[in-house]
Amino acid sequence: DGGITQSPKYLFRKEGQNVTLSCEQNLNHDAMYWYRQDPGQGLRLIYYSQIVNDFQKGDIAEGYSVSREKKESFPLTVTSAQKNPTAFYLCASSIDSNTRGENIQYFGAGTRLSVL
Amino acid sequence: AQKITQTQPGMFVQEKEAVTLDCTYDTSDPSYGLFWYKQPSSGEMIFLIYQGSYDQQNATEGRYSLNFQKARKSANLVISASQLGDSAMYFCAMTLNSGYSTLTFGKGTMLLVSP
Repeated sequence: DGGITQSPKYLFRKEGQNVTLSCEQNLNHDAMYWYRQDPGQGLRLIYYSQIVNDFQKGDIAEGYSVSREKKESFPLTVTSAQKNPTAFYLCASSIDSNTRGENIQYFGAGTRLSVL
Repeated sequence: AQKITQTQPGMFVQEKEAVTLDCTYDTSDPSYGLFWYKQPSSGEMIFLIYQGSYDQQNATEGRYSLNFQKARKSANLVISASQLGDSAMYFCAMTLNSGYSTLTFGKGTMLLVSP
């Protein structure tokens, strides 16, 4: 089945620890995205990548880092510099972020991160 | 910068009735796209419907239709014949079609469908 797989579903972080959230897609999409969702809020963009080995900061990139070494994979690292990491993290992909018109983003099932 | 506003924190509807979820947007760019997503309690975001700013007709997808009023900058989602499985959060989002653009989301509306 084609889709976007996020793992783990639940993740716990200790103080001062870096944690990495996985996102893999087999849709052959060029663009991938990471969003953060806080309770009662919409999604806010953390990072996005239009092509392998390239990525751009979104609205709330501080305390996060990403890599895009393969087209299929876009892992997100929540660093110790992120002081309030407890949230629901969603990964998405689309054919191309530079396509005029309909460019639907498809989402994974999300990772819920909590601080111990 | 674009902005999406969803003024209804929660909506109730009885099964088999129609419901309208409101969305207004703000942008000075003439070319943009509008999206609706559904987020059930499981958390995943499910794409429902898309409307381009230059589309002449309102978008429809099964029981979902988008009431697009460009002059009012509104893009309301209409769900006909509500089902219990429609209970979820609904998010309106937009993207600009100039250059590289990403989705901007509203804060969402919680829809509860009662038997």
